This record gives sequence, structure tokens and C-alpha cells, in this order.
Amino acid sequence: EAQVTQNPRYLITVTGKKLTVTCSQNMNHEYMSWYRQDPGLGLRQIYYSMNVEVTDKGDVPEGYKVSRKEKRNFPLILESPSPNQTSLYFCASSLGQGAGEAFFGQGTRLTVV
Amino acid sequence: GDSVTQMEGPVTLSEEAFLTINCTYTATGYPSLFWYVQYPGEGLQLLLKATKADDKGSNKGFEATYRKETTSFHLEKGSVQVSDSAVYFCALRRPDSSYKLIFGSGTRLLVRP
Repeated sequence: EAQVTQNPRYLITVTGKKLTVTCSQNMNHEYMSWYRQDPGLGLRQIYYSMNVEVTDKGDVPEGYKVSRKEKRNFPLILESPSPNQTSLYFCASSLGQGAGEAFFGQGTRLTVV
Repeated sequence: GDSVTQMEGPVTLSEEAFLTINCTYTATGYPSLFWYVQYPGEGLQLLLKATKADDKGSNKGFEATYRKETTSFHLEKGSVQVSDSAVYFCALRRPDSSYKLIFGSGTRLLVRP
């Protein structure tokens, strides 16, 4: 089954404690992205990757890091989380240039206290 | 910059009522347009899409027509069901930046029996 898998689904952490949210896709997609969803703002892109070792900033990259060492995985790293990073996070993947549908993971609800 | 504007929710309807959710966009060139649906506790799923002017996307009884003259992509359904209760997102993707979806703020639909 084609899918994007994120872990964990729920996470509560304290300010400043480094964390990683994992994302994996099994569709051999080139493009992967991270979005955050906040009430009244829709989804905003944090970072994206167009292929292995190719990553770039989206619209709201401050406080986040990513890496793309393998095609299937695209982890999101928060080196020093802060309360304003409390949000619902989605990983997405798509085939590549100009092509079709983006597939989304089920989301990670992060609370930073 | 590019943007998508959706009507504020929540929209509350009785079963079998007619649904319209308005969506307008601002973008240079000729973007592709999408409607995504988010059921409670789940990620986003593509509902329908249109890639050029006057295209009509349709799926599961939902329809939307790409209107370039009014820069709109309104979502309609003739007879909603309780199972249609969800959050609906309108989004665009430019052909020169196909790694990125730009989303509206989302519209919550609640259908009552």
C-alpha cells in the first residue's frame, strides 16, 4: 500500500529538548516536504527536498532542520523546541516535477511546554 | 505573493443539503488547483484537482471548476452526507515550483443527520 508514515503521532516535550519527527515514504517519490498546520493559517511549508542531499527552505523554516540521506526518509529536527512550535506537522511526498498528487502522512501533533 | 482564500467556517448543513465552499486564488501564470479533505485525526487526502482553465475536477460527488476569469475554484456537492463532515482545503501549485503547495486556511464542514 502506498503510504507516507510519520512517527510519533503525538509528542509532548519541554522547551529546549531536541527532538526528531521521522517521515518515510514507500513510493520512490523524489519530492518530500514538511508542513505545519495552525488554526486559521492552513498549512505552511517548512522545508522541502527535491532529491537525496537536496533540501531547501520553505516559508517558515526558522527553528527547524531537515536531512535527506536516503530517498525514502525525510526527518524533521527541532534542535531547541520552543512553545511557538506547538503545532500539527505533516510530511508529504510527490513524484516530482509537475507531476500529480501529493501524498500526506497522518500528522504529528507536537506540544512544547 | 501567491495566496489562496477560502470562506470562513464552520459550515453547518443538514444531510442532503447543497454545499458550496468558496475558494479564490492569486498567482502568476497558470497554477494547478486542488481540493484536499482532512477527516478527523487523519492526514490530507486529495479530493479533486484541475490543471488548466475551464477544467472540472470531480470525485465522490464533489465538483469544482477552474475559472481563470474570476480566479476561483469553488467546491460543490449536490447532496451532502454525514460522512462528508471534515475540513476542506483549497490549494494551488505553480508549474515552476511544483515542490510546493500553497493552502487556504481550511473550511470545516459539519453535516447533521
